[in-house]
Amino acid sequence: ETGVTQSPTHLIKTRGQQVTLRCSSQSGHNTVSWYQQALGQGPQFIFQYYREEENGRGNFPPRFSGLQFPNYSSELNVNALELDDSALYLCASSTLAGGPPDTQYFGPGTRLTVL
Amino acid sequence: AQKVTQAQTEISVVEKEDVTLDCVYETRDTTYYLFWYKQPPSGELVFLIRRNSFDEQNEISGRYSWNFQKSTSSFNFTITASQVVDSAVYFCALKDTDKLIFGTGTRLQVFP
Repeated sequence: ETGVTQSPTHLIKTRGQQVTLRCSSQSGHNTVSWYQQALGQGPQFIFQYYREEENGRGNFPPRFSGLQFPNYSSELNVNALELDDSALYLCASSTLAGGPPDTQYFGPGTRLTVL
Repeated sequence: AQKVTQAQTEISVVEKEDVTLDCVYETRDTTYYLFWYKQPPSGELVFLIRRNSFDEQNEISGRYSWNFQKSTSSFNFTITASQVVDSAVYFCALKDTDKLIFGTGTRLQVFP
């Protein structure tokens, strides 16, 4: 069984640029959630995708957007990067099946540095 | 409000000591789910346990054990006979509809 994978591992951008982060969900999972983890903090929920639609969103501005593809992989796009966007971005996959919530399994993360 | 508090920022122990990581939660829900994750220096969050609110039985998995007490809204995690490989940041989390709400984490350092 393949776990959650993310690319790239590290990324350096400058203020105002745009970035795309990628996530492949674990085999058998249909839901992808994205989290932002600033240094020394717990992860903060950005949004979740299920069946290629946004299924919930945290307190993040519209310049954070995402996509989910038919194979359940996902992208996180951030426009007009700000210094505060520097963080570890974590992707988690799970299964939404109408019953009790499933466990979210996380990938290794993408560390984004904005200069 | 949905909230998770991990009051211990950092704990240092010597190998083979037992250590307990505290987690206190607040929720408006009558049915809820709690989790513990481990984050080693590599950054990946590793799932350790999930607990349903209607199951208050304590759980043991090898050197790990969890004490869930609804009366005090706590879900504490104990590592018995700690090892250097246990050094990591540990997060407690509460499931809130579509998302996890995490505490700020407890950094555990186990020295040889």
